[in-house]
Amino acid sequence: KAGVTQTPRYLIKTRGQQVTLSCSPISGHRSVSWYQQTPGQGLQFLFEYFSETQRNKGNFPGRFSGRQFSNSRSEMNVSTLELGDSALYLCASSAYPVGASDTQYFGPGTRLTVL
Amino acid sequence: KQEVTQIPAALSVPEGENLVLNCSFTDSAIYNLQWFRQDPGKGLTSLLLIQSSQREQTSGRLNASLDKSSGRSTLYIAASQPGDSATYLCAVTGGSNYKLTFGKGTLLTVNP
Repeated sequence: KAGVTQTPRYLIKTRGQQVTLSCSPISGHRSVSWYQQTPGQGLQFLFEYFSETQRNKGNFPGRFSGRQFSNSRSEMNVSTLELGDSALYLCASSAYPVGASDTQYFGPGTRLTVL
Repeated sequence: KQEVTQIPAALSVPEGENLVLNCSFTDSAIYNLQWFRQDPGKGLTSLLLIQSSQREQTSGRLNASLDKSSGRSTLYIAASQPGDSATYLCAVTGGSNYKLTFGKGTLLTVNP
């Protein structure tokens, strides 16, 4: 069974631009969560989608948004990029919502650099 | 607000040694606790998942314990190998906010 895939793997943008990251979960998984990882803050939760509904959201500004499609694929969008948005963005999928008795499977991440 | 702390932040051991990584959390109302491994620049690999009703889980040379009442978990690695070198992260899920809260991780180096 294929794992979680994320595209693109690397991205370089300039301040003020916007970016869209994509995550394809493991086949049959309906929950997709997004995390931001930085050296200073570690891993921080962005949001979770389950069956196309945003189930939970972390403490990030409204510039960060996401959505999930009927095939469970998810996209994350960041508008008006800032230097501090440079990070590794990870998505994770599971069959059931976060909080159920289920392992989270992570993708390889998208490395975003904002210049 | 749930906070997760991992001690030590870094650990260097010779090959073959048994070692323990520690994780503590402030809110004991958790659903489960997971240990992950992260290699440099890569995503996370799930190692063990312990439900809140369980006390421990084992997989190969890895054994994780959970003491929910005291807010602690340990990951025991037996007979460490250079291939075990990575950052180990623990994460808890709990409360009304259904999300994983991660610790900052322990960077493990196993020297040949």
